[in-house]
Amino acid sequence: DSGVTQTPKHLITATGQRVTLRCSPRSGDLSVYWYQQSLDQGLQFLIQYYNGEERAKGNILERFSAQQFPDLHSELNLSSLELGDSALYFCASSVGQGLSYEQYFGPGTRLTVT
Amino acid sequence: AQKITQTQPGMFVQEKEAVTLDCTYDTSDPSYGLFWYKQPSSGEMIFLIYQGSYDQQNATEGRYSLNFQKARKSANLVISASQLGDSAMYFCAMRERPTSGTYKYIFGTGTRLKVLA
Repeated sequence: DSGVTQTPKHLITATGQRVTLRCSPRSGDLSVYWYQQSLDQGLQFLIQYYNGEERAKGNILERFSAQQFPDLHSELNLSSLELGDSALYFCASSVGQGLSYEQYFGPGTRLTVT
Repeated sequence: AQKITQTQPGMFVQEKEAVTLDCTYDTSDPSYGLFWYKQPSSGEMIFLIYQGSYDQQNATEGRYSLNFQKARKSANLVISASQLGDSAMYFCAMRERPTSGTYKYIFGTGTRLKVLA
């Protein structure tokens, strides 16, 4: 158990809908990262927050947005869902934001868009 | 061009033997970090080992060691004394910070390791 929690574990929804994925980092960790893992795209970095502020942005679609709240939990919002958004979404956390900080991953949320 | 290349889609190793998983990377940034993660069939991602671009010595964590050859831009993972529980997908990843931008995190396509009894 990494100490990172993600809810829900599974989510099934229809195209065009909007969903919110939630992540609670390990106690003491200030950085939260979101990743998408799909069969065709592999593991893709989406976005990073550090202590409430956006720190890095990867291949995140405009239909997706995220935020980190004062209690450090984070939410990833996915809207206008398409079939291709079906994937495993991971949240990870680390103590700091620099190059040397290892990331601890949550169990993931499996999103299925039908 | 691929930033992280893992050329071995799948590998087999006999239990108790050592195995090397290859990873090459491409960056022009002088400051970067290299990571290896393990993903068992259960799906979670487990951090294994980290190597900084300025680290003089190869990183080691228990049975895991990272063979870092900076000039060749390779960061191979060596697992010693393989165990059945090592059977999993292994991902090499790089975190870089271009001088003109923010951090970037790139993962390879992974190597599936199967340990044979």
